[in-house]
Amino acid sequence: KQEVTQIPAALSVPEGENLVLNCSFTDSAIYNLQWFRQDPGKGLTSLLLIQSSQREQTSGRLNASLDKSSGRSTLYIAASQPGDSATYLCAVTRSATNKLIFGTGTLLAVQP
Amino acid sequence: ETGVTQTPRHLVMGMTNKKSLKCEQHLGHNAMYWYKQSAKKPLELMFVYNFKEQTENNSVPSRFSPECPNSSHLFLHLHTLQPEDSALYLCASSLIGTSGTDTQYFGPGTRLTVL
Repeated sequence: KQEVTQIPAALSVPEGENLVLNCSFTDSAIYNLQWFRQDPGKGLTSLLLIQSSQREQTSGRLNASLDKSSGRSTLYIAASQPGDSATYLCAVTRSATNKLIFGTGTLLAVQP
Repeated sequence: ETGVTQTPRHLVMGMTNKKSLKCEQHLGHNAMYWYKQSAKKPLELMFVYNFKEQTENNSVPSRFSPECPNSSHLFLHLHTLQPEDSALYLCASSLIGTSGTDTQYFGPGTRLTVL
């Protein structure tokens, strides 16, 4: 059974810092991995999707990497801003379906 | 706004009540999903509908009964729930449910409390 773990569970950083969020999964036979952010009262927003054949994806200040063989992904946030404060979730799919298996998330607080 | 709306946003019900959650998407998608998010637990997929047909039931107890009358609307009918069913229920939609690369768009959720 696929299990997805995110470390740390919570993180507080001053504005302007670069930071890394970690995601690990127990079964390397994934189809893709996605990173989401969740804001209170607003549901989830997809940030980046990395297909299993890819090593990384970038969007603005965000860069996500995938090492499928070791069962790890990282989300790098450059020059953090208070608006980045949210819960960040990673999720994997096993096959060509949209059945997402989520981690427990990292609660990020960026202090002004 | 993601184009996915959920009503009500908050619901308090007793264990003997019957209530329904509603989800509507305005994105022209064909797949819709129900997720449950409990405190301190990962977000968990409950049901998937693709072109109005249920394609996934993740061993959900029968006290949760989904309905998808068309590709734009999804309901979750609730009856005789337990206090441990208290959670945030999220609806999502995507273009199709079988590609593995679709982006899912989530609604804001319904916060359910069972007394």
